[in-house]
Amino acid sequence: GAVVSQHPSWVICKSGTSVKIECRSLDFQATTMFWYRQFPKQSLMLMATSNEGSKATYEQGVEKDKFLINHASLTLSTLTVTSAHPEDSSFYICSASQAGSGNTIYFGEGSWLTVV
Amino acid sequence: AQRVTQPEKLLSVFKGAPVELKCNYSYSGSPELFWYVQYSRQRLQLLLRHISRESIKGFTADLNKGETSFHLKKPFAQEEDSAMYYCALKRNTGKLIFGQGTTLQVKP
Repeated sequence: GAVVSQHPSWVICKSGTSVKIECRSLDFQATTMFWYRQFPKQSLMLMATSNEGSKATYEQGVEKDKFLINHASLTLSTLTVTSAHPEDSSFYICSASQAGSGNTIYFGEGSWLTVV
Repeated sequence: AQRVTQPEKLLSVFKGAPVELKCNYSYSGSPELFWYVQYSRQRLQLLLRHISRESIKGFTADLNKGETSFHLKKPFAQEEDSAMYYCALKRNTGKLIFGQGTTLQVKP
Protein backbone atom coordinates (compact mmCIF):
# COMPACT_ATOMS: atom_id res chain seq x y z
CA GLY A 1 0.00 0.00 0.00
CA ALA A 2 0.88 3.65 -0.21
CA VAL A 3 3.29 4.98 2.39
CA VAL A 4 3.57 8.38 3.99
CA SER A 5 6.74 9.08 5.90
CA GLN A 6 7.50 11.83 8.38
CA HIS A 7 10.87 13.06 9.49
CA PRO A 8 12.03 13.47 12.15
CA SER A 9 10.09 11.03 14.32
CA TRP A 10 10.96 13.10 17.33
CA VAL A 11 12.75 16.34 17.91
CA ILE A 12 13.70 18.45 20.89
CA CYS A 13 14.34 22.13 20.39
CA LYS A 14 14.95 25.18 22.52
CA SER A 15 12.36 27.87 23.04
CA GLY A 16 12.59 30.55 20.42
CA THR A 17 14.05 28.37 17.73
CA SER A 18 12.31 27.01 14.64
CA VAL A 19 11.91 23.40 13.72
CA LYS A 20 10.92 21.79 10.44
CA ILE A 21 8.99 18.56 10.02
CA GLU A 22 8.83 16.85 6.65
CA CYS A 23 6.04 14.75 5.24
CA ARG A 24 6.70 12.63 2.17
CA SER A 25 4.50 10.40 0.07
CA LEU A 26 6.91 7.66 -0.86
CA ASP A 27 5.26 5.90 -3.76
CA PHE A 28 2.51 8.17 -4.93
CA GLN A 29 1.89 11.78 -5.77
CA ALA A 30 -0.15 13.78 -3.34
CA THR A 31 -1.60 17.06 -4.51
CA THR A 32 -3.09 17.53 -1.07
CA MET A 33 -1.62 16.81 2.30
CA PHE A 34 -3.07 17.54 5.70
CA TRP A 35 -1.37 18.47 8.95
CA TYR A 36 -2.82 17.49 12.30
CA ARG A 37 -1.87 18.06 15.88
CA GLN A 38 -2.60 15.57 18.61
CA PHE A 39 -2.28 16.18 22.31
CA PRO A 40 -1.79 13.18 24.60
CA LYS A 41 -4.92 11.05 24.84
CA GLN A 42 -6.84 13.51 22.70
CA SER A 43 -8.14 13.51 19.19
CA LEU A 44 -6.43 14.74 16.05
CA MET A 45 -7.01 18.38 15.36
CA LEU A 46 -6.73 19.47 11.74
CA MET A 47 -4.35 22.40 11.48
CA ALA A 48 -4.12 23.05 7.77
CA THR A 49 -4.50 21.69 4.28
CA SER A 50 -1.37 21.78 2.21
CA ASN A 51 -1.85 22.19 -1.53
CA GLU A 52 0.98 21.59 -3.96
CA GLY A 53 2.03 24.81 -5.63
CA SER A 54 -0.27 27.08 -3.68
CA LYS A 55 -0.73 28.50 -0.22
CA ALA A 56 -1.90 26.29 2.59
CA THR A 57 -5.39 26.65 3.96
CA TYR A 58 -5.43 27.01 7.71
CA GLU A 59 -8.18 26.02 10.09
CA GLN A 60 -9.71 28.60 12.33
CA GLY A 61 -7.55 29.43 15.29
CA VAL A 62 -4.31 28.17 13.76
CA GLU A 63 -1.67 30.85 13.36
CA LYS A 64 -0.31 30.73 9.83
CA ASP A 65 2.77 32.73 10.77
CA LYS A 66 3.49 30.32 13.56
CA PHE A 67 3.02 27.15 11.59
CA LEU A 68 4.49 27.65 8.14
CA ILE A 69 3.53 25.07 5.56
CA ASN A 70 5.23 24.57 2.26
CA HIS A 71 4.20 22.04 -0.37
CA ALA A 72 6.89 22.46 -2.94
CA SER A 73 6.44 19.16 -4.78
CA LEU A 74 3.86 16.44 -5.27
CA THR A 75 5.63 14.25 -2.73
CA LEU A 76 6.77 16.66 -0.04
CA SER A 77 5.12 19.00 2.41
CA THR A 78 6.91 20.67 5.29
CA LEU A 79 5.63 22.14 8.52
CA THR A 80 7.87 24.68 10.21
CA VAL A 81 7.08 25.65 13.77
CA THR A 82 8.56 29.11 14.13
CA SER A 83 9.76 30.62 17.38
CA ALA A 84 8.70 27.49 19.20
CA HIS A 85 7.42 27.63 22.76
CA PRO A 86 6.79 24.82 25.25
CA GLU A 87 3.05 24.96 24.52
CA ASP A 88 3.86 23.96 20.94
CA SER A 89 5.07 20.62 22.23
CA SER A 90 2.82 18.04 20.67
CA PHE A 91 2.49 15.13 18.28
CA TYR A 92 2.22 16.33 14.70
CA ILE A 93 0.77 14.03 12.07
CA CYS A 94 0.49 14.47 8.35
CA SER A 95 -1.69 12.64 5.90
CA ALA A 96 -1.82 12.48 2.15
CA SER A 97 -4.58 11.63 -0.21
CA GLN A 98 -3.94 9.18 -3.01
CA ALA A 99 -6.05 9.97 -6.02
CA GLY A 100 -7.52 7.09 -7.95
CA SER A 101 -7.89 4.83 -4.96
CA GLY A 102 -11.15 6.33 -3.84
CA ASN A 103 -9.03 9.15 -2.47
CA THR A 104 -7.81 6.97 0.34
CA ILE A 105 -5.99 8.94 2.99
CA TYR A 106 -2.76 7.59 4.38
CA PHE A 107 -1.14 8.81 7.55
CA GLY A 108 2.45 9.38 8.47
CA GLU A 109 3.87 7.88 11.62
CA GLY A 110 3.84 11.24 13.36
CA SER A 111 6.51 13.50 14.79
CA TRP A 112 6.95 14.25 18.46
CA LEU A 113 8.02 17.81 19.13
CA THR A 114 9.27 18.79 22.55
CA VAL A 115 10.18 22.41 23.16
CA VAL A 116 12.34 23.02 26.20
CA ALA B 1 -21.85 22.39 12.76
CA GLN B 2 -19.91 19.42 11.50
CA ARG B 3 -18.97 17.23 14.37
CA VAL B 4 -18.06 13.68 15.26
CA THR B 5 -18.75 12.45 18.77
CA GLN B 6 -17.42 9.35 20.43
CA PRO B 7 -19.02 9.35 23.86
CA GLU B 8 -16.77 6.74 25.44
CA LYS B 9 -13.14 7.48 26.21
CA LEU B 10 -12.48 3.95 27.35
CA LEU B 11 -14.23 0.69 26.67
CA SER B 12 -13.01 -2.34 28.54
CA VAL B 13 -14.26 -5.83 27.69
CA PHE B 14 -13.16 -9.40 28.18
CA LYS B 15 -11.85 -11.50 25.33
CA GLY B 16 -14.69 -13.10 23.44
CA ALA B 17 -17.25 -10.49 24.47
CA PRO B 18 -19.08 -8.37 21.92
CA VAL B 19 -17.83 -4.87 21.29
CA GLU B 20 -19.64 -1.75 20.16
CA LEU B 21 -17.79 1.52 19.84
CA LYS B 22 -20.21 4.37 19.47
CA CYS B 23 -19.95 7.20 16.99
CA ASN B 24 -22.46 9.92 16.24
CA TYR B 25 -22.04 12.64 13.69
CA SER B 26 -23.47 15.97 12.67
CA TYR B 27 -23.20 16.89 9.01
CA SER B 28 -25.48 18.78 6.69
CA GLY B 29 -24.63 16.92 3.50
CA SER B 30 -24.16 13.28 2.61
CA PRO B 31 -21.54 12.01 5.02
CA GLU B 32 -18.63 9.81 4.19
CA LEU B 33 -17.61 8.05 7.37
CA PHE B 34 -14.59 6.05 8.42
CA TRP B 35 -13.15 4.17 11.33
CA TYR B 36 -9.42 4.48 11.94
CA VAL B 37 -7.38 2.43 14.36
CA GLN B 38 -4.13 3.29 16.09
CA TYR B 39 -2.30 0.41 17.71
CA SER B 40 0.28 1.13 20.36
CA ARG B 41 3.27 2.99 18.90
CA GLN B 42 1.97 2.69 15.37
CA ARG B 43 0.52 5.12 12.89
CA LEU B 44 -3.12 5.71 12.32
CA GLN B 45 -4.55 3.31 9.75
CA LEU B 46 -7.85 2.94 8.03
CA LEU B 47 -10.01 0.18 9.45
CA LEU B 48 -13.10 0.55 7.31
CA ARG B 49 -15.26 3.00 5.45
CA HIS B 50 -19.01 3.02 5.23
CA ILE B 51 -19.22 3.17 1.45
CA SER B 52 -17.47 -0.15 0.99
CA ARG B 53 -19.67 -1.96 3.51
CA GLU B 54 -16.85 -4.37 4.23
CA SER B 55 -15.80 -6.29 7.28
CA ILE B 56 -12.21 -5.90 8.37
CA LYS B 57 -10.73 -8.01 11.16
CA GLY B 58 -14.26 -8.98 12.09
CA PHE B 59 -15.36 -5.37 12.56
CA THR B 60 -18.40 -3.92 10.85
CA ALA B 61 -20.07 -0.55 10.95
CA ASP B 62 -23.41 0.48 9.55
CA LEU B 63 -24.34 4.02 8.73
CA ASN B 64 -27.66 4.92 10.30
CA LYS B 65 -28.73 8.23 8.84
CA GLY B 66 -31.86 8.39 10.98
CA GLU B 67 -29.84 8.20 14.17
CA THR B 68 -26.80 9.90 12.61
CA SER B 69 -24.65 7.09 13.92
CA PHE B 70 -21.85 4.90 12.63
CA HIS B 71 -21.15 2.50 15.46
CA LEU B 72 -18.31 -0.01 15.16
CA LYS B 73 -19.12 -3.56 16.15
CA LYS B 74 -17.40 -6.87 16.57
CA PRO B 75 -19.14 -9.96 17.92
CA PHE B 76 -16.12 -11.48 19.68
CA ALA B 77 -13.30 -9.23 20.83
CA GLN B 78 -9.70 -10.41 20.67
CA GLU B 79 -6.79 -9.17 22.76
CA GLU B 80 -5.07 -7.89 19.64
CA ASP B 81 -8.02 -5.55 19.08
CA SER B 82 -6.81 -3.41 21.98
CA ALA B 83 -6.08 -0.03 20.45
CA MET B 84 -7.34 3.50 20.03
CA TYR B 85 -10.25 3.81 17.62
CA TYR B 86 -11.24 7.01 15.88
CA CYS B 87 -14.41 7.69 14.00
CA ALA B 88 -13.96 10.25 11.23
CA LEU B 89 -16.13 12.16 8.82
CA LYS B 90 -14.85 13.36 5.49
CA ARG B 91 -15.99 16.73 4.27
CA ASN B 92 -16.51 17.37 0.59
CA THR B 93 -13.23 19.29 0.68
CA GLY B 94 -11.44 16.07 1.55
CA LYS B 95 -10.74 17.10 5.13
CA LEU B 96 -11.26 14.56 7.86
CA ILE B 97 -12.94 15.50 11.11
CA PHE B 98 -12.09 13.10 13.91
CA GLY B 99 -13.97 12.10 16.98
CA GLN B 100 -12.28 12.18 20.33
CA GLY B 101 -11.28 8.56 20.09
CA THR B 102 -12.13 5.53 22.20
CA THR B 103 -9.55 3.31 23.79
CA LEU B 104 -10.59 -0.31 23.52
CA GLN B 105 -9.04 -2.55 26.13
CA VAL B 106 -9.62 -6.27 25.69
CA LYS B 107 -8.75 -8.22 28.80
CA PRO B 108 -7.72 -11.88 28.70
